[in-house]
Amino acid sequence: DIQLTQSPSFLSASVGDRVTITCRASQGISSYLAWYQQKPGKVPKLLIYAASTLQSGVPSRFSGSGSGTEFSLTISSLQPEDLATYYCQQINTFLPLTFGGGTKVEIK
Amino acid sequence: EVQLVESGGALVQPGRSLRLSCTASGFTFGDFPMSWFRQAPGKGLEWIGFIRSEAYGGTIQHAASVKGRFTISRDDSKSIAYLQMNSLKAEDTAVYFCARGDVVGVSCRFDYWGQGTLVTVSP
Repeated sequence: DIQLTQSPSFLSASVGDRVTITCRASQGISSYLAWYQQKPGKVPKLLIYAASTLQSGVPSRFSGSGSGTEFSLTISSLQPEDLATYYCQQINTFLPLTFGGGTKVEIK
Repeated sequence: EVQLVESGGALVQPGRSLRLSCTASGFTFGDFPMSWFRQAPGKGLEWIGFIRSEAYGGTIQHAASVKGRFTISRDDSKSIAYLQMNSLKAEDTAVYFCARGDVVGVSCRFDYWGQGTLVTVSP
């Protein structure tokens, strides 16, 4: 099975900071990757799919990049409401739809 | 408005069975794949299984961790997806979510999620 490894598992940053989260796949998955945001006590929300396509309604400060085995989610200017845990997910339906372990983002 | 409502969560003893339902509204249920996920207390998201729409054969995939114990199904006439869970273990304790899939080629993004239903497995 494909393993997704996120790093860091926790980060603390200030409002306005540029934040980058990395997701590494144990084997190439082309661009079949999505990113989700889960705020405390809430349901996961789709942010990005196909590695870099912003889901409708998601603020443009979120962006995704990468292909193959290396992917990243960037928040260009961290906002207080971005306090959440972020997950990557492999989305090729012919493979297990595995998640990464998550990255918890704290606001300093 | 797309809505997904899970139900059926309960406190059950180890070894027992439980069936969860995910009732959908606000879209043509039969046109979309559905998936189940879970999240153990304080832990990350785990994919459980996926069922394609009938247009794509209605085929089902399950995660290795639940294969043979859990089964996903769907009733398009009722707009409901089901998760049948057998031989429950303490480690199955989690909030269970259903989500609607939106397929593009071989990929599927999960754009709408239910609020979840809690399953607690304990003596």
